Amino acid sequence: DTGVSQNPRHKITKRGQNVTFRCDPISEHNRLYWYRQTLGQGPEFLTYFQNEAQLEKSRLLSDRFSAERPKGSFSTLEIQRTEQGDSAMYLCASSVTGKNNEQFFGPGTRLTVL
Amino acid sequence: AQSVTQLDSQVPVFEEAPVELRCNYSSSVSVYLFWYVQYPNQGLQLLLKYLSGSTLVESINGFEAEFNKSQTSFHLRKPSVHISDTAEYFCAVSYGGATNKLIFGTGTLLAVQP
Repeated sequence: DTGVSQNPRHKITKRGQNVTFRCDPISEHNRLYWYRQTLGQGPEFLTYFQNEAQLEKSRLLSDRFSAERPKGSFSTLEIQRTEQGDSAMYLCASSVTGKNNEQFFGPGTRLTVL
Repeated sequence: AQSVTQLDSQVPVFEEAPVELRCNYSSSVSVYLFWYVQYPNQGLQLLLKYLSGSTLVESINGFEAEFNKSQTSFHLRKPSVHISDTAEYFCAVSYGGATNKLIFGTGTLLAVQP
């Protein structure tokens, strides 16, 4: 069990550029979550995958955001035409069905949009 | 709307003193309650959880929390804090459902002073 990993750890981009983040969940974890954490706030739910199916998306996930989880393993979160308001820490978590909903979090990707 | 309230954004306390971090959630028939800790530049780590059964739950490092259904609270306590407990603490709730997504409070910074 190597834990949840996220890459990159930091990303600085200019407004209008596209960025993509990757999350590798704990092996055998079928549930995967993306959260966003802004300064001084708690994490906010963005989207949820069960295996490869995206089953829920928050209203926070505008049309510029898209997430995928091909083959039910790693997941990517893409933000198109980034805005300064997208600056935040993007957290990924994974869990396994039937294990009391304990979600294990990755270290996050900190996005700064200039 | 489902929500979690952490009224104290920061709690300063001297080393070896007791501490209580408050958490209240919006009422629901059934909830799962969690406390996560975030040390500087690290990801979220699960501290303790309430799923069912005994209303008093404990962590391995001396923290405890009590589920109070009538007060809709899940306050975190420790009888004697250490410098190493300095961190951001997040209360989170899951209302179950298909996703078991977490709803977080805004966090409380526990600042332990020598």
